Amino acid sequence: GAVVSQHPSRVICKSGTSVKIECRSLDFQATTMFWYRQFPKKSLMLMATSNEGSKATYEQGVEKDKFLINHASLTLSTLTVTSAHPEDSSFYICSASLGSYTEAFFGQGTRLTVV
Amino acid sequence: AQSVAQPEDQVNVAEGNPLTVKCTYSVSGNPYLFWYVQYPNRGLQFLLKYITGDNLVKGSYGFEAEFNKSQTSFHLKKPSALVSDSALYFCAVRVQSNDYKLSFGAGTTVTVRA
Repeated sequence: GAVVSQHPSRVICKSGTSVKIECRSLDFQATTMFWYRQFPKKSLMLMATSNEGSKATYEQGVEKDKFLINHASLTLSTLTVTSAHPEDSSFYICSASLGSYTEAFFGQGTRLTVV
Repeated sequence: AQSVAQPEDQVNVAEGNPLTVKCTYSVSGNPYLFWYVQYPNRGLQFLLKYITGDNLVKGSYGFEAEFNKSQTSFHLKKPSALVSDSALYFCAVRVQSNDYKLSFGAGTTVTVRA
């Protein structure tokens, strides 16, 4: 199947700093990617839909100025957690699909720890 | 609106016994249904999907699932569970549209004991 690569897999940062997470579709072009947040042993919470060449669509309750999404090319979407705080510590996962009939392909996830 | 329910938070089985993970869905339209598995600190791995056609779908690692329209269910099954099947399992649904958005169930933790 198609491959989605997410980087870094693990990051520790200080409170107040910003962290960028990359999500790449390695062997296909993705006009749409999704960013999720997952709490321990919990389901995935959709944060936003990343649209190539246009603004991301954020889910209700997600601060767009806090979680900046850029989808500048058909193979790369980035999520930047700005002015991170300990409560932003979580597991972040991206995904992309080839179409509505196909499964979504997920990145490996990024474990963010804010200290 | 679309939603998925996984009524069991945890499922425990002995190795070699059948494994069933339950999933029911609610959509206004034809559902596209998916099962994913997640190992600790990893992304989700695709197991199988139902789009159309045969109600019994076979997938990776010996898993299968049966689409039941009248009961709006899509239960995941494996005839003989392995200890390595211990993981977190998610059911997901998508309705035919252009936005590719998936709705996930809460997840079911499967523990297979030796």
